[in-house]
Amino acid sequence: DQQVKQNSPSLSVQEGRISILNCDYTNSMFDYFLWYKKYPAEGPTFLISISSIKDKNEDGRFTVFLNKSAKHLSLHIVPSQPGDSAVYFCAASAVFTGNQFYFGTGTSLTVIP
Amino acid sequence: DAGITQSPRYKITETGRQVTLMCHQTWSHSYMFWYRQDLGHGLRLIYYSAAADITDKGEVPDGYVVSRSKTENFPLTLESATRSQTSVYFCASSVDRASEQFFGPGTRLTVL
Repeated sequence: DQQVKQNSPSLSVQEGRISILNCDYTNSMFDYFLWYKKYPAEGPTFLISISSIKDKNEDGRFTVFLNKSAKHLSLHIVPSQPGDSAVYFCAASAVFTGNQFYFGTGTSLTVIP
Repeated sequence: DAGITQSPRYKITETGRQVTLMCHQTWSHSYMFWYRQDLGHGLRLIYYSAAADITDKGEVPDGYVVSRSKTENFPLTLESATRSQTSVYFCASSVDRASEQFFGPGTRLTVL
């Protein structure tokens, strides 16, 4: 059973606009969340993280929002650039699982120039 | 080269054959991981290792064997490959269990 879900397999956005990628999780014990970015034929690279004690974390053009009551997190990219076109994975972990990370299925973002 | 490398990058094998995928990291990270990526499943943890000679199962360990005699190497062996093991395999490493992981470029394995 998928504990971390990304219900949108793909997303297209115009360059300069905001990209919003969503992620839902089922286990309320998850307390640490990460986003990874993956280009074709490469491994995922870490993008940004957030702990459950926060509801927002920002790093340049990337902001992650966490809504614990809804078990939902989102990644905002503003402004979107063509180089942001990639597959984005969210991942969640908790101390009770020994910090094993559970990954979502990924969302393919295309930024149109 | 510094970082994490995987070999081979591509492999085609036949059902029943033994296959070993190699992973090497130069950071001296304590933790190393093996994931498989399949359509509709994202990345799923196969095995991980907390240090040399310490390994443990992840979500989908059946059909796989790992070893870690040296900190920098973490090979993954499919003892008798099956078609369901056709996948892209990623190795990763991290300083500790809770930190972000650094991934290798992946090995695309096809089992005929």
